[in-house]
Amino acid sequence: ETGVTQTPRHLVMGMTNKKSLKCEQHLGHNAMYWYKQSAKKPLELMFVYSLEERVENNSVPSRFSPECPNSSHLFLHLHTLQPEDSALYLCASSAQPTSGSYEQYFGPGTRLTVT
Amino acid sequence: AQSVAQPEDQVNVAEGNPLTVKCTYSVSGNPYLFWYVQYPNRGLQFLLKYITGDNLVKGSYGFEAEFNKSQTSFHLKKPSALVSDSALYFCAVRDTSQGNLIFGKGTKLSVKP
Repeated sequence: ETGVTQTPRHLVMGMTNKKSLKCEQHLGHNAMYWYKQSAKKPLELMFVYSLEERVENNSVPSRFSPECPNSSHLFLHLHTLQPEDSALYLCASSAQPTSGSYEQYFGPGTRLTVT
Repeated sequence: AQSVAQPEDQVNVAEGNPLTVKCTYSVSGNPYLFWYVQYPNRGLQFLLKYITGDNLVKGSYGFEAEFNKSQTSFHLKKPSALVSDSALYFCAVRDTSQGNLIFGKGTKLSVKP
């Protein structure tokens, strides 16, 4: 788990705030992912980046904006969120995004509460 | 549609007894299957995977999983459960069209002393 770090670990924000989640991987991987984990729901894939280019955006609302400045860093910019966006946001990385045989390594997550 | 199912929301086991956490899948083509564990307030940790080869896959912390193609299953097993194994377990399968992982809803494992 120490291979992928996420900050902050906890975040409380109002609906009009702007905040950013940060993820950093120290594993030399070239693919990074954002997931949303809500209670009693399957893990939802939000964004996939391969070699710093976005390769997937699963119909995520525009109030979530990802950024991948290099292969080690991934951000999720948050703006005018809704209470239903409260969840655990997980970052992951892997060696190859589409080969399928490479496991993903997850960070500890950011627990987001929108008030 | 490609999917993975974990039919049990919760599994309760006494310490020292064998445990099984069930997973079934539906994909086109050859499946790539994974098991992850999540402890409270933590991210998911990779346990093991099946790509090809031997149907019995051994992973971390004494866990193993058996791939059964005819039953489209990939059940997670451990011969002797520990209290520290109590956690949330996720099965995942590779989406063969997009390459991403499709996760099950998770099964909560509770091991009592």
